[in-house]
Amino acid sequence: KQEVTQIPAALSVPEGENLVLNCSFTDSAIYNLQWFRQDPGKGLTSLLLIQSSQREQTSGRLNASLDKSSGRSTLYIAASQPGDSATYLCAVRGLGSNYKLTFGKGTLLTVNP
Amino acid sequence: GAGVSQSPSNKVTEKGKDVELRCDPISGHTALYWYRQSLGQGLEFLIYFQGNSAPDKSGLPSDRFSAERTGGSVSTLTIQRTQQEDSAVYLCASSGGLARDEQFFGPGTRLTVL
Repeated sequence: KQEVTQIPAALSVPEGENLVLNCSFTDSAIYNLQWFRQDPGKGLTSLLLIQSSQREQTSGRLNASLDKSSGRSTLYIAASQPGDSATYLCAVRGLGSNYKLTFGKGTLLTVNP
Repeated sequence: GAGVSQSPSNKVTEKGKDVELRCDPISGHTALYWYRQSLGQGLEFLIYFQGNSAPDKSGLPSDRFSAERTGGSVSTLTIQRTQQEDSAVYLCASSGGLARDEQFFGPGTRLTVL
């Protein structure tokens, strides 16, 4: 059974810092990995999707990397802003016809002005 | 519509009552998923619909939970005889089209069972 772990559970940084969020998964037989952001009381916003054949994806100040063999992904946020404060969730999709995602419990990020 | 929509946004019910939660996926998306987000449990998969295929119900926690998808579009998640442990945020997602692997989520329905 796939298990996804996110470290740290919470992170507080001053504005302008570069930061890294970590995600690990136990079964390396994945189809893809997706990073989401969730604001309090809201649904999930997709940030980046990395296919299993890819090593990284970039969108603006965000860069996600994937090392499938070691079961790890990182989300790098450059020049953090208070508006980046949210919970960041990592999710993996296994191989096969079922598209379901297995989620980590998230990292609560607070960026202080 | 432009995104996944869900209704109601909030639902408060009494223990033992039945509830229906609705999801309207992104137009043209063939896949639809229901997830549940509970405090301390994180996000859990409930059920998956793909086109006209039989749904994958492997995540439904009990036979009080059921879902249907009519006409390959709108989906309804029904919880019968609600219990307090059913209190959670129920999230719907859809995928398909050009970005077929990416799942897009709705805002969720917050269910509170008193």
